[in-house]
Amino acid sequence: GDSVTQMEGPVTLSEEAFLTINCTYTATGYPSLFWYVQYPGEGLQLLLKATKADDKGSNKGFEATYRKETTSFHLEKGSVQVSDSAVYFCALPGGKTGFQKLVFGTGTRLLVSP
Amino acid sequence: DAGVTQSPTHLIKTRGQQVTLRCSPKSGHDTVSWYQQALGQGPQFIFQYYEEEERQRGNFPDRFSGHQFPNYSSELNVNALLLGDSALYLCASSFTSGSYSNQPQHFGDGTRLSIL
Repeated sequence: GDSVTQMEGPVTLSEEAFLTINCTYTATGYPSLFWYVQYPGEGLQLLLKATKADDKGSNKGFEATYRKETTSFHLEKGSVQVSDSAVYFCALPGGKTGFQKLVFGTGTRLLVSP
Repeated sequence: DAGVTQSPTHLIKTRGQQVTLRCSPKSGHDTVSWYQQALGQGPQFIFQYYEEEERQRGNFPDRFSGHQFPNYSSELNVNALLLGDSALYLCASSFTSGSYSNQPQHFGDGTRLSIL
């Protein structure tokens, strides 16, 4: 079945460092891909998405490019801030065609220190 | 414009009890999905409701049931609670256009359920 694999955390960085969180997927066809972020004590917020191969999703300085050749959707940010500390989830739609149920990775915790 | 709202925020129950969690979708959304997120894990899909019917279900036992009302709000019911049901329960809403939906889901802040 469809699945997502994320790098294990925590990822610990200093402020202004470069961030990469790896995500690879297994799916039938070419589904949309999503990154969600979860801040402490909150639900999930959509961070960015890409709907087809070679698309680049971007938001709040974060970027991810849909690479069908490597089945990857790695999340990057050039300069992280303390406020970026959160858990990041890569996800794709699974289940029956046309009915979106999200399949999530296990999440990667990011800790940014001043 | 209110987003997805869930109630209650926290709940403590004992083994064997029953619980009902509630969700109001984002304005304009007609589809509600429920997820269970155990500590340190990603959310796991429980089921999805559209037009007041369950149209997809994940690998959860029949103890987990739901309902969607005409105003699109939804309830998640769990019977015969087990210690392993302790988790954050997330509701997500989206809009289904025809028979296909590729819109991202919008999540509430969840209900933290603790089983003693």
